[in-house]
Amino acid sequence: DAGVIQSPRHEVTEMGQEVTLRCKPISGHDYLFWYRQTMMRGLELLIYFNNNVPIDDSGMPEDRFSAKMPNASFSTLKIQPSEPRDSAVYFCASSLVTGTGYTFGSGTRLTVV
Amino acid sequence: AQRVTQPEKLLSVFKGAPVELKCNYSYSGSPELFWYVQYSRQRLQLLLRHISRESIKGFTADLNKGETSFHLKKPFAQEEDSAMYYCALRRGSTLGRLYFGRGTQLTVWP
Repeated sequence: DAGVIQSPRHEVTEMGQEVTLRCKPISGHDYLFWYRQTMMRGLELLIYFNNNVPIDDSGMPEDRFSAKMPNASFSTLKIQPSEPRDSAVYFCASSLVTGTGYTFGSGTRLTVV
Repeated sequence: AQRVTQPEKLLSVFKGAPVELKCNYSYSGSPELFWYVQYSRQRLQLLLRHISRESIKGFTADLNKGETSFHLKKPFAQEEDSAMYYCALRRGSTLGRLYFGRGTQLTVWP
C-alpha cells in the first residue's frame, strides 16, 4: 500500500483564489481526517469523516472552508476564497476504527500571497 | 472533556543526555495514549502506543493513571532524535478520533 496520498505537495496561490487539496486514504480505512498545522497553533483538526460521512466539522475555521468525501477513496478540502492567514501545512490522515492510530499523508504546504 | 497538555514547546539537550518529553492528559475514562514524531518537513509517524508497551528507537513511555501522564523518555539522546513530538489521546468510547497536544520541538545538540 502506498499509504495516504496527498496532492499537491506544495501550492502557492494568490489571495482570493480557490484552492483544492486532495487526499486518497489507505484502502479499507473507514476514518479520514483533515488537519492544519501552523507554528502558532500546532495541529488543528478541521473535519473528519467516518464511512464517507462528515462526523465533526467544528474545527473548520469559517464558511470559506469546505470538505467532501464522495467515495471511500477520495476526499477534498477546498478554500474559497483563500487568504494569507490560511497559509499552513494541511495533513490528511486515515485510520481503521480499531486500528493502531492514524496514518498521515505527506501534507500539502499551502502559501497564500 | 478530554485534554492533552505538553507543557514544553521547546526542549534542548546534548547528545548522550537523557531526555523526557512530558505529556499530561485529562479524561475521566480509560484512554489510549500515543506518541507521534515528525522529522523536519516530513509526515507525522506513529512512534509509540501505550497498549503495546514497546520501545521504539530507544524511546519508552509509561502510562501513569494516577498522575494522568504519558511521558516519553530516552536514556541517551541522539542527534537524529531532533524532531517535533506530539502526544495524542483516544477516548475508549469514541474510536477513531485522536486528540493531540500542541507538540514539543526536541533539539539534540552534538
